[in-house]
Amino acid sequence: SQQGEEDPQALSIQEGENATMNCSYKTSINNLQWYRQNSGRGLVHLILIRSNEREKHSGRLRVTLDTSKKSSSLLITASRAADTASYFCATVSWGKLQFGAGTQVVVTP
Amino acid sequence: DTAVSQTPKYLVTQMGNDKSIKCEQNLGHDTMYWYKQDSKKFLKIMFSYNNKELIINETVPNRFSPKSPDKAHLNLHINSLELGDSAVYFCASSQLQGTKETQYFGPGTRLLVL
Repeated sequence: SQQGEEDPQALSIQEGENATMNCSYKTSINNLQWYRQNSGRGLVHLILIRSNEREKHSGRLRVTLDTSKKSSSLLITASRAADTASYFCATVSWGKLQFGAGTQVVVTP
Repeated sequence: DTAVSQTPKYLVTQMGNDKSIKCEQNLGHDTMYWYKQDSKKFLKIMFSYNNKELIINETVPNRFSPKSPDKAHLNLHINSLELGDSAVYFCASSQLQGTKETQYFGPGTRLLVL
């Protein structure tokens, strides 16, 4: 079974709006990572948040981590059409990076 | 100047054939991985090599055999291809062994078995 599970599975928003997606996981983690996958392309690393961190920013991205609830969220502010992609969270479990099924985000102009 | 490259990008073949996918990284990383992404976009690790040594070998049929001639290359050979092998295969690399670090992914190889 997948370690991380993203919610929602799909998200459709207008340009300029914020997009928020959540990730829940099951076991203890060392860190949690978020990746983006554009259609037909490989995954691109966005941000890594360590288990002792609660919030991290990178440009228009904001990631939070709540280890007590075993959950993380990714916020994309002021979305652009180029943000259209699938977003995956990944956690370390048994020495392996395990991915969720992803949230498909569509940003319409 | 591609960081992680894979060939071929597309592979269409008949059931029962044997095929190979090649991966190269020019990042100087020590660890390389193979992942399989199915039609529902689930991404699952198959193998991991560190400095040419096998580190992770998930429950993958032994028809799949990775080979690492040097730490910059990790190839995947698949024997007796089956319909269920149809998927996108991604190669990745990271600086350090383990998964505490960022992984860099190749563009993927889309395999279709007919």
